[in-house]
Order: sequence, then C-alpha cells, then structure tokens
Amino acid sequence: SSELTQDPAVSVALGQTVRITCQGDSLRRFYASWYQQKPGQAPVLVMYGKDNRPSGIPDRFSGSSSGNTGSLTITGAQAEDEADYYCKSRDSSGNHYWVFGGGTKLTVL
Amino acid sequence: QVQLQESGPGLVKPSETLSLTCTLSGGSIRSSSYFWGWIRQPPGKGLEWIGSIYYTGNTYYIASLKSRITISVDTSENEFSLNLRSVTAADTAVYFCARFKDITNSFDFWGQGTLVTVSS
Repeated sequence: SSELTQDPAVSVALGQTVRITCQGDSLRRFYASWYQQKPGQAPVLVMYGKDNRPSGIPDRFSGSSSGNTGSLTITGAQAEDEADYYCKSRDSSGNHYWVFGGGTKLTVL
Repeated sequence: QVQLQESGPGLVKPSETLSLTCTLSGGSIRSSSYFWGWIRQPPGKGLEWIGSIYYTGNTYYIASLKSRITISVDTSENEFSLNLRSVTAADTAVYFCARFKDITNSFDFWGQGTLVTVSS
C-alpha cells in the first residue's frame, strides 16, 4: 500500500498564509484531495484535482502539486479554519483503492 | 440535497460481527457517476479508508481487512452495508459512509458518522 505523509501540526497567525503539505509517491501521478475536519464533525471536502474547490468553499483555499508533494494553501487564514486537514490519494493497489494521510492539525493563533 | 445516514449497533462484543448500514436520500445509489465508501476513524486518530462498492456490486477493500470485511449494496432500498467479522478492540472507531465522485476522485458527501465500540 502507499503512504501519505503530513506534518502532524501547523500553526498560522490570523490573517496570514499557511501551506499544508502531503508527501507520497502516488502524488507524482495523481492529485490529492483534501478534507477539513472539525472536532466531532464529519470531514468536508475542500479541494480536489489540480486546484478545484467544491461549491461553498471559500476562495482563500487553493491547491497545488509538485513532484511527490501536494499542498493545500490558505491565504488569509480565519479562526474558523482551525481544524484537522487530511489529504487522500490513490493507493498503489490500483484504481478505487484509497489512502489518507495522517492528518495535520491547524491552529490559528 | 444528498444525505447519507449510518445506522447500526454502537456496541459489539469481541469476536462478533460489526454491521452497519448507510442509507442514501436525495439521490440514487444506482448512479453511474459514484462509488460508495466506508471510512473509519479510531478515537483520537486519523481517517482510514476501508472499502468501497459500486452499484453493480463491484467491491474494493483495504488489504489489511480483506479477510474480514464485506460491503454490499441494496439498490431497491438505496443503501449499502458494511460487515466486519471477528472484531477486536482495534476496530473501535467512528465509521463514516461517504459518496465517492468518480470524475473528481474525491469523497464529496459524508454521513455524520457513528461510533462503534468493541467491548465485552
């Protein structure tokens, strides 16, 4: 199976920019999707593909990819962005097999 | 609006079978555009995809659970189900069902999740 590596914790000052990264071999071929999870809630999709936001996701969220690293950037972080963020990509087992990163806890200071 | 709702026992004894159902409303499970998945999250830990199913019955399972897991679909009831056999305390988790949109390669709608505790 594949692995996706995320920093366990990241912090950002209110209104500043933060990049959350995800590393893994599968990201050389496939884009990550990103999920935001607040305590006691289900995950919410915030980014997919090269740089695509689902309806209702603020445009301060953006995505990018380079080599084996996918990134989720929040430009002008808000207090409500404090959450856990998970990347997901395809597992080496093949199509329709998925793996999540370990998650990054984002703190907005 | 699409909604997914998990249902099933919140407590299962060790060595028994964990059974959950996810009921879809606001859409059809027979849609060719989607797969249907189960993701779990042990308390205080991260997300783990454990399996998916297409409405035709094609299934995909995480390798570590392949000997114990069965996912099935009931198109007449617009629901899909998870059976996990021979559970241990390590299977204690919040279990989420989710819709996977093929064209975006992402889980775009999730159920609220249900906590299943394995304990005697």
